[in-house]
Amino acid sequence: AQSVTQPDIHITVSEGASLELRCNYSYGATPYLFWYVQSPGQGLQLLLKYFSGDTLVQGIKGFEAEFKRSQSSFNLRKPSVHWSDAAEYFCAVVRAAGNKLTFGGGTRVLVKP
Amino acid sequence: GAGVSQSPRYKVAKRGQDVALRCDPISGHVSLFWYQQALGQGPEFLTYFQNEAQLDKSGLPSDRFFAERPEGSVSTLKIQRTQQEDSAVYLCASSPWVVASPGGSYEQYFGPGTRLTVT
Repeated sequence: AQSVTQPDIHITVSEGASLELRCNYSYGATPYLFWYVQSPGQGLQLLLKYFSGDTLVQGIKGFEAEFKRSQSSFNLRKPSVHWSDAAEYFCAVVRAAGNKLTFGGGTRVLVKP
Repeated sequence: GAGVSQSPRYKVAKRGQDVALRCDPISGHVSLFWYQQALGQGPEFLTYFQNEAQLDKSGLPSDRFFAERPEGSVSTLKIQRTQQEDSAVYLCASSPWVVASPGGSYEQYFGPGTRLTVT
């Protein structure tokens, strides 16, 4: 069965500093990979996704993620964090020709002024 | 256009009560999913509909959970004889795609969720 691990439960970062959130997956083949953000009281919003091709993908709100097959990782990055980026971030996978998402446990990001 | 909506947004139930949670997907979306998100955890799949057909209910935790989508649009998740462990946020998502394909256009659109508290 596929699984997703987000090793960091909480991350605190200063406004303007860079941010990197880790995601590792376990699956027999390369699944399709997603990052979602969840703000308090809001639904999950898709930041970016990777299906194939260029391993560095750009998303909304200035986020990017890099797929590394050798490490089974799909880490999310942002060069300069804004206070509005405080939220919970979820990595998710879906297998090819599948449709249900398998989520990691999430990383809560706190932004210090 | 309108996104996925869910109602009620908050529900408090006494243990043993039945509850019904509603999801209005984006118009025309073929696929509809229910997920359960316990406090401090990621969402977990409950069930999937393609139009009115419930094709996957492997994630439903017990036979107290029942979902329907009779006309292929609005869906209702019903929980009978609620227990404290049912306390969670229930998320609904819809998608115009049936499966994820190499074309890369697969996406699920999530509603704001219903927070269920069982006392």
